Amino acid sequence: NAGVMQNPRHLVRRRGQEARLRCSPMKGHSHVYWYRQLPEEGLKFMVYLQKENIIDESGMPKERFSAEFPKEGPSILRIQQVVRGDSAAYFCASSPGLAGGPTFFGPGTRLTVL
Amino acid sequence: KQEVTQIPAALSVPEGENLVLNCSFTDSAIYNLQWFRQDPGKGLTSLLLIQSSQREQTSGRLNASLDKSSGRSTLYIAASQPGDSATYLCAVGVHGGSRLTFGEGTQLTVNP
Repeated sequence: NAGVMQNPRHLVRRRGQEARLRCSPMKGHSHVYWYRQLPEEGLKFMVYLQKENIIDESGMPKERFSAEFPKEGPSILRIQQVVRGDSAAYFCASSPGLAGGPTFFGPGTRLTVL
Repeated sequence: KQEVTQIPAALSVPEGENLVLNCSFTDSAIYNLQWFRQDPGKGLTSLLLIQSSQREQTSGRLNASLDKSSGRSTLYIAASQPGDSATYLCAVGVHGGSRLTFGEGTQLTVNP
């Protein structure tokens, strides 16, 4: 049973380009979360999605960031017109949706903006 | 707003020592509390999950306790080993457990 999968593991973009980060949840999990870990900081919640729905995006920056979890395929975190301050590790997590159940994390995508 | 604090920020101990990592949170209305391990450049590995109705959980050499009323949790590691060296993160589940608020972690080094 494969865990949460993320790709790419490392992504380098120049300022102004777009970054697309992909996440496949664990088998049987219908709830996906994205977290960001800035250098020397803790993990911060960004967004919580279920299939085809954004449930909570209170941690997402208001501009340039978007997330989706389509009916088919992985969840996508999209960052438009990246800036150096977007350089961070982006972690995806999933859960089966049971209240209070464990959350499982992927290995992360490390985004570097030049 | 829920805030999670972990003390100490860093800890260095000799192999074989028992140790305690501390986590405190400001809002006792939590659904659960989860301890994770993060190795450098890697993702998070779940160690223990304590539901809000529970007081402790054990797995091997690890024991985690939860005192909701005082807003505290501790992670006890028995007979530490060099392989235990990592950053340990405490995370509190809120909003039905669907959202985790993390502490900034304790960086543990176990010296052979």
